[in-house]
Order: sequence, then structure tokens, then C-alpha cells
Amino acid sequence: AQSVAQPEDQVNVAEGNPLTVKCTYSVSGNPYLFWYVQYPNRGLQFLLKYITGDNLVKGSYGFEAEFNKSQTSFHLKKPSALVSDSALYFCAVRDGGKLIFGQGTELSVKP
Amino acid sequence: GAVVSQHPSRVICKSGTSVKIECRSLDFQATTMFWYRQFPKQSLMLMATSNEGSKATYEQGVEKDKFLINHASLTLSTLTVTSAHPEDSSFYICSARDYGTSGTDTQYFGPGTRLTVL
Repeated sequence: AQSVAQPEDQVNVAEGNPLTVKCTYSVSGNPYLFWYVQYPNRGLQFLLKYITGDNLVKGSYGFEAEFNKSQTSFHLKKPSALVSDSALYFCAVRDGGKLIFGQGTELSVKP
Repeated sequence: GAVVSQHPSRVICKSGTSVKIECRSLDFQATTMFWYRQFPKQSLMLMATSNEGSKATYEQGVEKDKFLINHASLTLSTLTVTSAHPEDSSFYICSARDYGTSGTDTQYFGPGTRLTVL
């Protein structure tokens, strides 16, 4: 079965510093990986996805993610964090027609 | 990206009543929609896959007679929580699968519905 894991429940970053939200995956076959962000009491917003091709995927709001096959990772990154980036981030993998989500990582960016 | 709406955004009802939640894909057609449930500070739990023109596929442990799903058109799926009880209080989120052009195939999510059963 396909699965993803987000090893950190919470990540704290100072505004202006780079941020990384970690995700590792376990799949059979080629992984289709996604990142979503959720603001309080809201649905999920699509950030980016990896299907095939370049290992570095660029997404919305300045986020990017690097697909690393040898480390089975798909970490989300941003060079300079904003306070407004504070939210809950979910990594997901496609399993058939469904998405399997990680546990979520709460990102807190302090001024 | 594509837009998915949900209505209502918030509902409070008495125990024993039924509540209907609508999920619409606004700028694309969705043959497949999904219904999730989310508890505070937790991940999304897939409840069921809604297929246009056919019966929904429910995940293990989800009561199909309690959570009725109808996907009558390519842009609308509804979830009805029948005879709601306080333990059904939760945040319900729908998503719609956009196959798009060039095989983009991405799920887009609605803003969620906060259900509180008194």
C-alpha cells in the first residue's frame, strides 16, 4: 500500500529564514506526490505535485519540493518564510484514484 | 487552479435531524469527487469516493446508510448525514478530481463544512 509520513508535527521558523517541511514516502511503482496547505477552518489548497520529470518541482506562493528517489523523500521548501505561511501542511501520495495523506505538519513562522 | 465550493460552510443542528452538504466544481467537470472528515489538528480521513451516475464507494468502517452520497451531475455531489448525533460533529471536506488537459489530474478541495450536532 502507498503511504507518506511527515516526521514532524510542528516546525518553527523565523520570518525570512528558509523553511523545510519533511515528507517521506513508501510506494510500489512510480510515486505521484502532492503538497497541500490548510489554513484554519478552511479546506486544502493545492501547492504542487510531482508526477515525473524534473526532481525539483515549483509550486504556488514560492514553494518548491525536491523529489529524492534514493531517500524516498519529497520535502517542501521555501527560501524565505513569511508569517502568512503559518498553516498546516499535508503531503499526499496517490493510491489508485485516491489520495493518502500524511499526518500533517504545523508550520509556525514568527516575525 | 480549479475551484470547488461547499455549502453550507457551517451548520448547527439538533440530534436526530439530517443535514445535507453540497460540493460543486465551479469551472470543471468532475466525474469523481471525494468526501473527507477531519478532526481537530488531525489529517483527513477519506469517507467515500463519489462517482457521477453510480453508487459511491465507501471506505471501511463508514456507514453508507448514515452518510448518503449522491453524485447526480458532473459538477455536484451531496453528502447527507442522516439522523445526526453529537459524535458526527466534525469538519467535512469534499474534493473533486480534475483530469484536465495534458493529464494534469489533480484533486481540488472545497473550503469545508463545520457540522455541530447538539
